[in-house]
Amino acid sequence: QSVLTQPPSASGTPGQRVTISCSGSSSNIGSNIVHWYQQLPGTAPKRLIYSNNQRPSGVPDRFSVSKSGTSASLAISGLQSEDEADYYCATWDDSLNGRWVFGGGTKLTVL
Amino acid sequence: EVQLVQSGAEVKKPGESLKISCKGSGYTFTTSWIGWVRQMPGKGLEWMGLIYPGDSHTRYSPSFQGQVTISADKSINTAYLYWSALKASDTAMYYCAKGDSFDIWGQGTMVTVSS
Repeated sequence: QSVLTQPPSASGTPGQRVTISCSGSSSNIGSNIVHWYQQLPGTAPKRLIYSNNQRPSGVPDRFSVSKSGTSASLAISGLQSEDEADYYCATWDDSLNGRWVFGGGTKLTVL
Repeated sequence: EVQLVQSGAEVKKPGESLKISCKGSGYTFTTSWIGWVRQMPGKGLEWMGLIYPGDSHTRYSPSFQGQVTISADKSINTAYLYWSALKASDTAMYYCAKGDSFDIWGQGTMVTVSS
């Protein structure tokens, strides 16, 4: 059972907008920056985006994030086949002397 | 280019010890945390712990405290993850990742534990 809750799956057709949610608590999302990672099949995760829509170079602005209270979400607009991947949210949790926590991951399928 | 390069895949028997490595380059190794993350087959990401190579300060997930040891040798820009006695349930892909936001990841080390 992950500390952060994500839907196990999401899907969309090319060109659509898809949103992936991430729910936590006051000790994690409620008080810390939320990071999102993309894991393409058979590869290592890579950081995709984090608070205030900060993106590493090379990450298109089709990806955006938002946060409200103890929940966060990742939105992908103009969905493309290359976006098919697993997406994870993560943040620092201030409980238990501090720890990183991940969501369970969401498998995005481009139909 | 900032990168983390991990050691190769390992196949071990239950009860054996193992140390895998993660070598950083392209940045100041001593001033960025290195974290370790487990991914069991077909499963999600689990944070194991962190080390600050500058002073070897470590923090462990409660789930992995006592199960593994994280260390670093700053003279060769390398962090390590060590098991003293592997179990079949340790079979997984292990990733190292840099910084307090895991901005750069290693390619992963697959560890298979089987009799």
